[in-house]
Parts: sequence; C-alpha cells; structure tokens
Amino acid sequence: EPEVTQTPSHQVTQMGQEVILRCVPISNHLYFYWYRQILGQKVEFLVSFYNNEISEKSEIFDDQFSVERPDGSNFTLKIRSTKLEDSAMYFCASSVPRPSTDTQYFGPGTRLTVL
Amino acid sequence: DAKTTQPTSMDCAEGRAANLPCNHSTISGNEYVYWYRQIHSQGPQYIIHGLKNNETNEMASLIITEDRKSSTLILPHATLRDTAVYYCIVRLSGGSYIPTFGRGTSLIVHP
Repeated sequence: EPEVTQTPSHQVTQMGQEVILRCVPISNHLYFYWYRQILGQKVEFLVSFYNNEISEKSEIFDDQFSVERPDGSNFTLKIRSTKLEDSAMYFCASSVPRPSTDTQYFGPGTRLTVL
Repeated sequence: DAKTTQPTSMDCAEGRAANLPCNHSTISGNEYVYWYRQIHSQGPQYIIHGLKNNETNEMASLIITEDRKSSTLILPHATLRDTAVYYCIVRLSGGSYIPTFGRGTSLIVHP
C-alpha cells in the first residue's frame, strides 16, 4: 500500500540554523500539507500546497517557513532560522481531492529538536 | 468546520468492542465526519469517514445518528495496538479544506 515517507526521522539542530524537512507524498496525490505537533499539544496545520503554489497557510507559517516541490516526487519544508519553540514533530500529508473523499494520508513525522 | 466534543479518555478490555462517541451538534448538511487516530508520536492515521449513512471498513464502523448531531466509532474487537488518541473531525470535503485536530479521546486497551 502506498504511503507518505519523511526524512530524516529525527533532526537535531542549533538555534538559528536552517533545516530542511523532506517528504515524499503518495505518487498520484495532488494536495500536500505540513502539520506540526509540539510535545503534548494538538496537531496544528501549517500549510497546504497545490498546483505548485501555497493554497492555504496558518498564522504559524510565517516568513521563517517556506515550502517547495523541487521535483516530481519531493515536498520540502524549510525553516530558515530555527528557534527553540520550533522543536516539534513535523508531519507531512497528501491527498487526492475527490467529490466525496479527499482523505489526507500522513507520514510518520520528523522530530525536530532545536538546541 | 463544526466543533466536536469527545470524552478525554476511555478504556476497553482487549477483545471487546470499543465505542468512541463524538458530538457535533452544529454540523452542517455538507460536512463529513472523519475519524483519525494517532498512536504515540506517529502520524495521524485515517480510519473512516461518512456523511449520512453508517460506514464500515476493515478497521472500524462509523454510526451516525439520523439527525447527524453525533456519531460513534466502533472498533469491534479491540487489541492492544489500538491504544491511541482518536480524533473525530467534522469538515467539508475538498482538498482546500483543512481538518482541525482537537484533543481527541485517549483510548487505552488493557489485557
């Protein structure tokens, strides 16, 4: 069964450094998403991406964040200058929009630790 | 999206049915009921969704009341691996609609 994959599984970085989190969505999916989950808190939406542009973004997704689909398979989230509060699990998801179902399928996540 | 209310936690004996309730009294006619679960620190996993009719798949059954103001997710024979946080989400369909995750119900399946 096809699945969303994410790399790395765990990323440790120093405050102020740039990080790139990578995702390979399910191959025939058209919508791509990033969510984050700070330890012990809710899963929060960051951004959605469709047709090579941002479709929607939350207040969390400020100028420090960017997304890109550099080729036909990868979908990346870049944090330009990491802060301590960026430490969280980051989940990628993808979906195929259909009239009655556009289920989002999530990857296993990348645990980002900012020191 | 309509707001949902779920119990904070539940427990269930292994092999028994787990019935997880969800209230969504402000649901609108074109909003779907989705269920996801999240096993510790893993990505949310889709379980099932429905609009009006009851639905069943290999994982679970979804019972939606006739007035659509509440629903129940049923895991017919719970196993220890079903221990997870279960999220009931009401949302419109379409790729541009973003599901909002609440606190969910923490289900513990015990031996």
